[in-house]
Amino acid sequence: DAKTTQPPSMDCAEGRAANLPCNHSTISGNEYVYWYRQIHSQGPQYIIHGLKNNETNEMASLIITEDRKSSTLILPHATLRDTAVYYCIVRASNDYKLSFGAGTTVTVRA
Amino acid sequence: ETGVTQSPTHLIKTRGQQVTLRCSSQSGHNTVSWYQQALGQGPQFIFQYYREEENGRGNFPPRFSGLQFPNYSSELNVNALELDDSALYLCASSSQGGINSPLHFGNGTRLTVT
Repeated sequence: DAKTTQPPSMDCAEGRAANLPCNHSTISGNEYVYWYRQIHSQGPQYIIHGLKNNETNEMASLIITEDRKSSTLILPHATLRDTAVYYCIVRASNDYKLSFGAGTTVTVRA
Repeated sequence: ETGVTQSPTHLIKTRGQQVTLRCSSQSGHNTVSWYQQALGQGPQFIFQYYREEENGRGNFPPRFSGLQFPNYSSELNVNALELDDSALYLCASSSQGGINSPLHFGNGTRLTVT
């Protein structure tokens, strides 16, 4: 069973920042937060992951609250190509698999 | 750097038949896992191969089996196909036995069972 809760859908405007929330209130100390996205007809694409510190890479930023019970994925300047299903996944450090939930369908509008 | 490649991209089979799907892992990765994604749902873990052995399995029957080769490529075999096996089959590769290492996915094989 997925350990995360995400809104089923959200819209955002092209060029604006997109803030995608995720709740993981039962997260354990050895569990990381991973984000993937899946563009239509493609495989899931790794975006970013973190344990407790905020993380940033060329694709996005991950903000994890101090109590680690929720996080936000930030796409700084959304483009039409960012339209996809975004999955927030909690994964233990010794777990080899990913447990996907339903994700958030993000639609970027011009 | 070569990413994960899967073949074929699409396949149509008849109920009761057998199918083999193939996956080449990303360069530098020694671990391969397979996922099934039904229409409108998230991917579900089938199994993982590390050092040519299955070292983890999800809730799938034994008619789903696999192989990993010395070059880390992999095959997924499904026997006695059922209509519900129609799905997108995704291969993912990673390093370190898949532990604390991001998985990188291919674009999948779309299997239709009629």
